[in-house]
Amino acid sequence: GQSLEQPSEVTAVEGAIVQINCTYQTSGFYGLSWYQQHDGGAPTFLSYNALDGLEETGRFSSFLSRSDSYGYLLLQELQMKDSASYFCAVYNNAGNMLTFGGGTRLMVKP
Amino acid sequence: DAGVTQSPTHLIKTRGQQVTLRCSPKSGHDTVSWYQQALGQGPQFIFQYYEEEERQRGNFPDRFSGHQFPNYSSELNVNALLLGDSALYLCASSWGQGAYGYTFGSGTRLTVV
Repeated sequence: GQSLEQPSEVTAVEGAIVQINCTYQTSGFYGLSWYQQHDGGAPTFLSYNALDGLEETGRFSSFLSRSDSYGYLLLQELQMKDSASYFCAVYNNAGNMLTFGGGTRLMVKP
Repeated sequence: DAGVTQSPTHLIKTRGQQVTLRCSPKSGHDTVSWYQQALGQGPQFIFQYYEEEERQRGNFPDRFSGHQFPNYSSELNVNALLLGDSALYLCASSWGQGAYGYTFGSGTRLTVV
């Protein structure tokens, strides 16, 4: 089976940098994705890592280390609108379904 | 370009009843996957439909069933509702059975009383 662990809550101030960690256990590995979900909203795709290293998309970056079964999402220049839940998720071997972690609730304070 | 549309947005049902939830995928997508999200938890995979057939199934009982229509829209049916079925039901559309870059709908909030 597959399982993922991430912190349940993180608090940071506006303008700061925050890192959300994710460790996973999976029998096969196809890739790691991150999703953002505001309260009452749809999860939205942020990033995908299949290979080791850092992927940068604007203020958001995602890192993967396959040897450590570990990844993180880095959010820079935090804004109030970044307050949301963030989920890491791994793909099954066929890449056609996702197993999500329990989510990290990020609260950005002024 | 319409995103994923789900209906209804909210629903209250009584234990033992049956419910049908609907999903229209994003334009250009042909695959629909359904997820259940309990409050404060991550989404859990129920099943995926592609070419009008169930292709993958998660660890959910047979009370959960679905259908995909020729226009790629999909329905999720839940029979004999239990209190524990109360959750947000999310539909995710994609192309060619892949899960990469899912587009999710805003979900149907089901409350079983």
